[in-house]
Amino acid sequence: ETGVTQSPTHLIKTRGQQVTLRCSSQSGHNTVSWYQQALGQGPQFIFQYYREEENGRGNFPPRFSGLQFPNYSSELNVNALELDDSALYLCASSPGTTLSGANVLTFGAGSRLTVL
Amino acid sequence: AQKITQTQPGMFVQEKEAVTLDCTYDTSDPSYGLFWYKQPSSGEMIFLIYQGSYDQQNATEGRYSLNFQKARKSANLVISASQLGDSAMYFCAMRVSSGSARQLTFGSGTQLTVLP
Repeated sequence: ETGVTQSPTHLIKTRGQQVTLRCSSQSGHNTVSWYQQALGQGPQFIFQYYREEENGRGNFPPRFSGLQFPNYSSELNVNALELDDSALYLCASSPGTTLSGANVLTFGAGSRLTVL
Repeated sequence: AQKITQTQPGMFVQEKEAVTLDCTYDTSDPSYGLFWYKQPSSGEMIFLIYQGSYDQQNATEGRYSLNFQKARKSANLVISASQLGDSAMYFCAMRVSSGSARQLTFGSGTQLTVLP
């Protein structure tokens, strides 16, 4: 089975621009979460999608938005980029939303965004 | 609110020796799960081990074991017989059952270096 794949792996944008990051979830997984990991820190939860709807959001402004498609793949969109948006963006998928050892998040390798 | 604390920014261990990475957590939710992830320089978060709050026994997965002390709210990771490939960043994380989002809250991580 294939794991979680993310694209692009690296990208550079300038302040004020918009960016779209993409994620293909692991086969059989219907839940996708996005995390932001600033340099030297642990990942922070942005939001989660289940059945094509956002069903949970962390402390991020509305300029961070997302989509989930019928094949469970997902996009993260960030508008009006700021310097502090520079980070590794991790996508994770799981087979459900409930709390259990079986519903372990499987992460992709991330998209490293640099905002100049 | 949930919080994970990892007080060891960096740790060194000799190859073939055991090492303990510390993690303490804080939550008022009676039902929660604790996770450890490994993040090599490639960026991908690799799941290592899971412990549920109601599990009676400490979790073990091969060379990894989780020393779960519920009263002290600690969930330390023990790696036995360290290998050079264990050199990476290690994150402790928690997920609680309450709320609409089943997100993970991560600690700041511990950089483990295995010495030959």
